[in-house]
Amino acid sequence: TQLLEQSPQFLSIQEGENLTVYCNSSSVFSSLQWYRQEPGEGPVLLVTVVTGGEVKKLKRLTFQFGDARKDSSLHITAAQPGDTGLYLCAGAVPGTYKYIFGTGTRLKVLA
Amino acid sequence: GAGVSQSPSNKVTEKGKDVELRCDPISGHTALYWYRQRLGQGLEFLIYFQGNSAPDKSGLPSDRFSAERTGESVSTLTIQRTQQEDSAVYLCASSALSWRDAGGEEAFFGQGTRLTVV
Repeated sequence: TQLLEQSPQFLSIQEGENLTVYCNSSSVFSSLQWYRQEPGEGPVLLVTVVTGGEVKKLKRLTFQFGDARKDSSLHITAAQPGDTGLYLCAGAVPGTYKYIFGTGTRLKVLA
Repeated sequence: GAGVSQSPSNKVTEKGKDVELRCDPISGHTALYWYRQRLGQGLEFLIYFQGNSAPDKSGLPSDRFSAERTGESVSTLTIQRTQQEDSAVYLCASSALSWRDAGGEEAFFGQGTRLTVV
């Protein structure tokens, strides 16, 4: 059974600080996505990474897919209150149509 | 429609009753997923539909859970004899292609149905 563990589970930081969220598994995934979810809403896609070692940047957000395609990280530079939300990673299980979601990281950025 | 629509948005039901949740995917999207999200947690895969292929039901937690989809249209998730542990937000997502084929096609989520079993 594929599992995706995210750490930390909760994070409360001051505006302007940097942070990194980790998504780890012992299983290989064919691709990995990061979503952000706000209260009362469904998750919204931030990025998809497909190639081992791939790095993608989206403004202040940097996403990396591990070389072995088992893990990923999300780094936010100079966090802002608008970054507050639940961050979820989701891995595509090879050979299936299934995406497994991580346990989630709840981020709160204080002004 | 403009986005994925789920109904009802909230449902309170008594333990032991059956409930039916509805998902209207984005028009033309061939793939449709159901997930369950317990309070403060990540998403738990339930079932996946892709066109007319046999659905992947491997995530359904028990035989009380079932889902149907006719072609590429509406899907319904039915929970029979509801239990308190079924209380959660049930999220539906659709995408234009299967995530596998496209290497990560974006999935669009509905706002979910919050189910409370009392």
